[in-house]
Amino acid sequence: QKEVEQNSGPLSVPEGAIASLNCTYSDRGSQSFFWYRQYSGKSPELIMSIYSNGDKEDGRFTAQLNKASQYVSLLIRDSQPSDSATYLCAGVSEYGNKLVFGAGTILRVKS
Amino acid sequence: EAQVTQNPRYLITVTGKKLTVTCSQNMNHEYMSWYRQDPGLGLRQIYYSMNVEVTDKGDVPEGYKVSRKEKRNFPLILESPSPNQTSLYFCASSWDSGNTIYFGEGSWLTVV
Repeated sequence: QKEVEQNSGPLSVPEGAIASLNCTYSDRGSQSFFWYRQYSGKSPELIMSIYSNGDKEDGRFTAQLNKASQYVSLLIRDSQPSDSATYLCAGVSEYGNKLVFGAGTILRVKS
Repeated sequence: EAQVTQNPRYLITVTGKKLTVTCSQNMNHEYMSWYRQDPGLGLRQIYYSMNVEVTDKGDVPEGYKVSRKEKRNFPLILESPSPNQTSLYFCASSWDSGNTIYFGEGSWLTVV
């Protein structure tokens, strides 16, 4: 079983809508989580990090963490075509020695 | 400018011909790692290093070697490449595994 699971998508949303990306993890000891955005053929770039239960907002992005349910999500408000990319969820292992990535969700924002 | 530099960016090689992909970071980071990315499988860690002379296996270490003789450099060595090592490779660095990871631009490797 993969340690970090994401729906591969593609998730299609119209321009201006809210895109909701979800991620579950199996390592109960994981404390830190990250969302990365990756355009085709490019390296991943960090969007958000979250360490505590609850919501964390940064501009159009909101990350949500629920440790009891082992669930992380990313909301993108007012989605733009430039948001079309693969979104990678990642969590730090319980022993803190590595970052484990999900396979990524493809997001397509249609204008 | 803070960056992670890896070379070569693109390489086509033949089965069995040893190759090295270099990685260098200028941020004085202690933690460095190598990932490979394949369609549908996401980023999988090959090896990581928590400091100079300290390396450990990630999830898919078979067929790879690494070394960390200096803090800034973390080369990935394929002693005898095989076609199943055809992939996109990323080097990354951070202060530690729980902090923001900075990725290199990626190296496209094809083994024929």
